[in-house]
Amino acid sequence: SQTIHQWPATLVQPVGSPLSLECTVEGTSNPNLYWYRQAAGRGLQLLFYSIGIDQISSEVPQNLSASRPQDRQFILSSKKLLLSDSGFYLCAWSRGTVDYEQYFGPGTRLTVT
Amino acid sequence: DQQVKQNSPSLSVQEGRISILNCDYTNSMFDYFLWYKKYPAEGPTFLISISSIKDKNEDGRFTVFLNKSAKHLSLHIVPSQPGDSAVYFCAASAEDYKLSFGAGTTVTVRA
Repeated sequence: SQTIHQWPATLVQPVGSPLSLECTVEGTSNPNLYWYRQAAGRGLQLLFYSIGIDQISSEVPQNLSASRPQDRQFILSSKKLLLSDSGFYLCAWSRGTVDYEQYFGPGTRLTVT
Repeated sequence: DQQVKQNSPSLSVQEGRISILNCDYTNSMFDYFLWYKKYPAEGPTFLISISSIKDKNEDGRFTVFLNKSAKHLSLHIVPSQPGDSAVYFCAASAEDYKLSFGAGTTVTVRA
């Protein structure tokens, strides 16, 4: 069966510090990978999606970036965090052109102070 | 631009009764619709979906109805149980496998 991992689970970082959130998927190959953010009381906002290694699309202009160093690894980064980057970050995967359903990881709670 | 809208931020229902959650969309290119359930501090879990070629899909206590002409879908939960208390998100896709989510509806099931 497939599983998706995210770490860390929680993170408190000062403004201006760097960020690295990691997501890995097990039990599948060539997944589509997604990064979402849920701000307090808001819906899920798609940040990045990737249909393959070195194929990453950004949905929202911001100071965040994403990379996919391996087929089942997706990393969300920032060089300098802003207060507005606080939120709940979710990674998800899907079977690409097979299914519409996306399956989410447990999420990372980021608080920028 | 919010293409998927859940206009009711919250819903309170008595245990054993029906919960009806509504969702409206504006993009006529959407052809696949999904409902997700989310508990606090956890990732959303997939509940049920429906293709635009159907108007109803049922899975146990959960039924999704789609009215394409009205660009409206709803999720019915019957009977509602305490474990159904969560945030429910409506999502839609337009063949590009990206999902647009609504803002969510918080359901509280009262004993």
